[in-house]
Parts: sequence; structure tokens; C-alpha cells
Amino acid sequence: ETGVTQTPRHLVMGMTNKKSLKCEQHLGHNAMYWYKQSAKKPLELMFVYNFKEQTENNSVPSRFSPECPNSSHLFLHLHTLQPEDSALYLCASSQDRDREWSSPLHFGNGTRLTVT
Amino acid sequence: GQNIDQPTEMTATEGAIVQINCTYQTSGFNGLFWYQQHAGEAPTFLSYNVLDGLEEKGRFSSFLSRSKGYSYLLLKELQMKDSASYLCAVLDSNYQLIWGAGTKLIIKP
Repeated sequence: ETGVTQTPRHLVMGMTNKKSLKCEQHLGHNAMYWYKQSAKKPLELMFVYNFKEQTENNSVPSRFSPECPNSSHLFLHLHTLQPEDSALYLCASSQDRDREWSSPLHFGNGTRLTVT
Repeated sequence: GQNIDQPTEMTATEGAIVQINCTYQTSGFNGLFWYQQHAGEAPTFLSYNVLDGLEEKGRFSSFLSRSKGYSYLLLKELQMKDSASYLCAVLDSNYQLIWGAGTKLIIKP
């Protein structure tokens, strides 16, 4: 149990579908992140929220849309995805990103997404 | 550009010692992290080094040389459960985490 819960664990969707990934953290952290992990590639940071405010969007295509209603919950809305978007999507949390930059990330187990 | 290099895969024997290297070229340096990731699971934090030298935590130790842009993770008395990927990540001058692609460690009996 990592304190960060992601649902669903697995998701198969067609290119015309709309789906959402959910992340919830029970650690009292103030920063939340979405990462994309593809085989044999470095983790790619997608979005960062600090105190519910989006602070980073790393040139992510608009077919990925994040939402952070409060410091404990984070969503990633998906629509009209491409097969190359198939990957493991990891959510993470940490203490205040601006002041506690040495604070380690706590990751969820990820959602394995397959786009057909 | 910024770059983190680590071996793609390593194999070691149960009970032995293995050293996983990580070299980095980044714009500035504010610390280096090691994470462990078992297949299908979340990466979990192992260590953070910001000063040169060796830090030991039980069977795991992490070393840093800032002048050489080099770190290693040392695993002693290997156990089968140590089979996992080990991710190296550097915090650059803008406090952005730069990640390596990870080293898959296979432990054989």
C-alpha cells in the first residue's frame, strides 16, 4: 500500500472513446503529478498540480486533460487517443513542490492503458 | 541537452553484491534519487543524495560524486525479491526531475 490509489488498473479503449483515470492520495500531500511510462524509456512528466493549481504542462497533447478538484484527487481525462498513447500512466504525490523539492515522490501502481 | 545514463539490464546471483551505475549530464544539480520498481507496481523511493559520499541503508547503499556526474546503487546480500527495475533521477537547477530509463535487475538462484 503506497498511500496513492489509482483506478482502473487496466484500461482498453478505442480511439474514439472517452475515459478518465482517477488518482487519490491519503498522505496529506499538496502536490500531485501525472507521469507516462513507456517500455525502456524514462518517465515523462505530463502535468503537475501544487495546492490544486496546475503549475506545469509539459507540451502534452490536448487529448489529455487533467483535473484536480482538491489536493487529494487527480483525474486524467482521455479522448480521441492514438495507439502510441498506450503506456503505463502513473500518478504521484509529494509535499509542497515549491518548498520541499527534495521530498520523494509517492507513486500509485498505475493504469495500464491500451489504445486499439 | 540533459541526459541520464544507466545500464538497461543486469544479472546477478542470489547472495552476491551488485552495483548499478548512473551517470548524468544536467543543467545544474540539486540532488539525485534512486527508486525501485517491481514489475506492475509503483516506483518506491530508495535514497536521496545531494552531497558527495556513500550513504548506507541496510543492504542498500548509494554513492554520489558530483564532480564526476556519477552515482551508483550498491545492493548487498541479494535476495530474489530484489529483482526489479532501478530508476535514477536527478533534480536539475530548475528543480525538475530528469529520469533515466531504468536498469532491470535479474536475480538468479
